[in-house]
Amino acid sequence: EVQLVESGGGLVQPGRSLRLSCAASGFSFDDHAMHWVRQVPGKGLEWVSGLTWNSLSIAYADSVKGRFTISRDNAKNSLYLQMNSLRTEDMALYYCVKTTGDRSFDIWGQGTMVTVSS
Amino acid sequence: QSALTQPRSVSGSPGQSVTISCTGTSSDVGGYNYISWYQQHPGKGPKVMIYDVSKRPSGVPDRFSGSKSGNTASLTISGLQAEDEADYYCCSYAGSSTFVFGTGTKVTVL
Repeated sequence: EVQLVESGGGLVQPGRSLRLSCAASGFSFDDHAMHWVRQVPGKGLEWVSGLTWNSLSIAYADSVKGRFTISRDNAKNSLYLQMNSLRTEDMALYYCVKTTGDRSFDIWGQGTMVTVSS
Repeated sequence: QSALTQPRSVSGSPGQSVTISCTGTSSDVGGYNYISWYQQHPGKGPKVMIYDVSKRPSGVPDRFSGSKSGNTASLTISGLQAEDEADYYCCSYAGSSTFVFGTGTKVTVL
């Protein structure tokens, strides 16, 4: 079964850091670009960041550029998101997402909630 | 990276057709044939319904169809069913490995 399981979310104060992880299984992880997408509860989806299978192409939304770093470890079938200088507007459910053809998102994790509050 | 514009809500009776529009710019929707649509039921994760403008993944009913004209993409649900009631989001590739989602549309089955 193809599965993505996120972890690492939680409550953090503004300005602090958090690292999200995503464990992939059931498919050839190193064949696919991977992304993070977030959603404020009750609101819409926002693309956050993505990288190619070999990490040679990495991209970020303007809203997180310079603060967030995406990475992957193909040997561990894992995707990561290092989030620094967190703001209240970063509070959301963060989904780990697999791409198909590198241009659409076919498998989504269950999400991990990040709460930024003092 | 401005969100693509979708109507806030659309509605229809069972059996009818509804169409959701998704308007962007020449830098996203109009510039690439990489439009995808996602269905999200309350409390659930998104599910891809259409990719590459008009392709349906295996298992998605053929009453879901997609198209694009200029800077506007569209999702049409024909023969509306109760289980189609959900939120729908479009998404477009926007160049340089970036993506942009639409504002989302709530589909209500009357």
